[in-house]
Amino acid sequence: EAQVTQNPRYLITVTGKKLTVTCSQNMNHEYMSWYRQDPGLGLRQIYYSMNVEVTDKGDVPEGYKVSRKEKRNFPLILESPSPNQTSLYFCASFHSGSSYEQYFGPGTRLTVT
Amino acid sequence: AQSVTQLDSQVPVFEEAPVELRCNYSSSVSVYLFWYVQYPNQGLQLLLKYLSGSTLVESINGFEAEFNKSQTSFHLRKPSVHISDTAEYFCALNNFNKFYFGSGTKLNVKP
Repeated sequence: EAQVTQNPRYLITVTGKKLTVTCSQNMNHEYMSWYRQDPGLGLRQIYYSMNVEVTDKGDVPEGYKVSRKEKRNFPLILESPSPNQTSLYFCASFHSGSSYEQYFGPGTRLTVT
Repeated sequence: AQSVTQLDSQVPVFEEAPVELRCNYSSSVSVYLFWYVQYPNQGLQLLLKYLSGSTLVESINGFEAEFNKSQTSFHLRKPSVHISDTAEYFCALNNFNKFYFGSGTKLNVKP
């Protein structure tokens, strides 16, 4: 089954404790992206990657890191989480040069206390 | 700068009534436009998209949207809604591989 998976689905952590949210897709998509969803703000793009070893900033990259060492994986790293990073995070992917149809993961709800 | 504005945060409507969800965008260059739907506790699913060609695009479940370049709008319409259409709808644009989303419109279909 074609899908985007994220882990963990729920995470409660404390300020300053480094964490990684994993994202993996099995569709051989070149493009992968991370978004955060906050009430009243919709989705905002954090980082995206056009292919392996190619990443770029979205609208709200501060406080986040990403890497794209393999085509299928695109982890999101919070080196020192803060309470304002409490949010619902989505990973998405699509095949470059196609119809721009993004496939979204199920989401990761992160709470930073 | 690119941006997407969804003017209505919530739209209540009775079943079988028509509905329009409004979306306006701001961009100095050509863009691709999308509508996504999010059902409770789920990720987003693509509903329909405008990339080029006909300005009227349709989805498989009866929604349609019209790209209007002069008014910079991409409103979503359905002539008769069902209870199952209750969800949050997001308008989005793509420009140079970046995506920009609106703040979302919650459609609440009442029996």
